[in-house]
Amino acid sequence: NAGVMQNPRHLVRRRGQEARLRCSPMKGHSHVYWYRQLPEEGLKFMVYLQKENIIDESGMPKERFSAEFPKEGPSILRIQQVVRGDSAAYFCASSPRGQGNYGYTFGSGTRLTVV
Amino acid sequence: ELKVEQNPLFLSMQEGKNYTIYCNYSTTSDRLYWYRQDPGKSLESLFVLLSNGAVKQEGRLMASLDTKARLSTLHITAAVHDLSATYFCAVPTNAGGTSYGKLTFGQGTILTVHP
Repeated sequence: NAGVMQNPRHLVRRRGQEARLRCSPMKGHSHVYWYRQLPEEGLKFMVYLQKENIIDESGMPKERFSAEFPKEGPSILRIQQVVRGDSAAYFCASSPRGQGNYGYTFGSGTRLTVV
Repeated sequence: ELKVEQNPLFLSMQEGKNYTIYCNYSTTSDRLYWYRQDPGKSLESLFVLLSNGAVKQEGRLMASLDTKARLSTLHITAAVHDLSATYFCAVPTNAGGTSYGKLTFGQGTILTVHP
């Protein structure tokens, strides 16, 4: 049973370009969460999605960031017009239900570097 | 707003010694999670604590949860070098009596075990 799959593992973008980060949850998991980790800091919640629904996006910056979890395919975190401050590790987690009785499984992360 | 605080933030231990990491949180929650992160890696789930008084042990690590005191502890027994990592506690948001996966993480405790 593959875990949470994220790709790419490393992504380099020039300022102003777009970054697309993908997350495939564990089999049987229908809840996906995105977190951002800045260097030397803890993880910060960004968005919580179920299939075709955004449940909680209170941690998403108001501009340039969007997320989706379509009926088919992985969840996508999209960052438009990237800036240096977007450089961070972006982690996706999934769970079978929202309540976390089994905890949350994290993917390996995508390390975004904006040059 | 939920706040989660860990202490200490840096812990340098000798092999064979015991120590405790503390995690305090500011609002009601009936569950708490502990994770381990190695440099440049993802988060590995250590413990899922789901009720007041929960105690779990895995090898040299033992975690407990006191929901009334809003406190969790991660106790390290007879530390070995392989335990060197960053340890995070995380508390889920509680909405309407139901917790879900919007986790608030502590700042992390960087543990270094040396001979």
